[in-house]
Amino acid sequence: DTGVSQDPRHKITKRGQNVTFRCDPISEHNRLYWYRQTLGQGPEFLTYFQNEAQLEKSRLLSDRFSAERPKGSFSTLEIQRTEQGDSAMYLCASSLGQHSGNTIYFGEGSWLTVV
Amino acid sequence: RKEVEQDPGPFNVPEGATVAFNCTYSNSASQSFFWYRQDCRKEPKLLMSVYSSGNEDGRFTAQLNRASQYISLLIRDSKLSDSATYLCVVRGGSQGNLIFGKGTKLSVKP
Repeated sequence: DTGVSQDPRHKITKRGQNVTFRCDPISEHNRLYWYRQTLGQGPEFLTYFQNEAQLEKSRLLSDRFSAERPKGSFSTLEIQRTEQGDSAMYLCASSLGQHSGNTIYFGEGSWLTVV
Repeated sequence: RKEVEQDPGPFNVPEGATVAFNCTYSNSASQSFFWYRQDCRKEPKLLMSVYSSGNEDGRFTAQLNRASQYISLLIRDSKLSDSATYLCVVRGGSQGNLIFGKGTKLSVKP
């Protein structure tokens, strides 16, 4: 499978714990995005990378959230001191470059439940 | 005002019906427009891009009106398999990230 892969697919954690999600984009895609989706809403942009550089962060990305893409390939999204409001599906996506015509492909998402 | 707004839905239609979804966007600098389809608890998948001249892909027709900042999607002869949530998506400006509407749920009944 050469699509965007995310791990873990499902995570249940207790409030206050830290969680980390990993995303492996489609190879040679230099743009990588993170989105969050809650029930009944469309995906909300969190942040994106061009290679290893984090170019944009949404104001939704509080200081408990941090994303990295150290070698310009896979990326991690860490949530510290999780809260129940963090329960959502976290979607990773990738695209080839920043041209507006380049299709963005999504992974299957990582479901987070904070209890 | 939200950046991308869609019909609230849900739309419940019989097989064979024609259904239309509408969407408006607020950023006049937006450059690219899409419809994505999302099945329950799955990731969004690109259905079709939307071009200024309008474009068609089988039973699906997309239209863009830049002056009104309005996008539409028409589905003809709807099938049971068309049941899903349809997301209006806008991309543009210097960021290049996608901005999604809340989505409109479509249920096609036998």
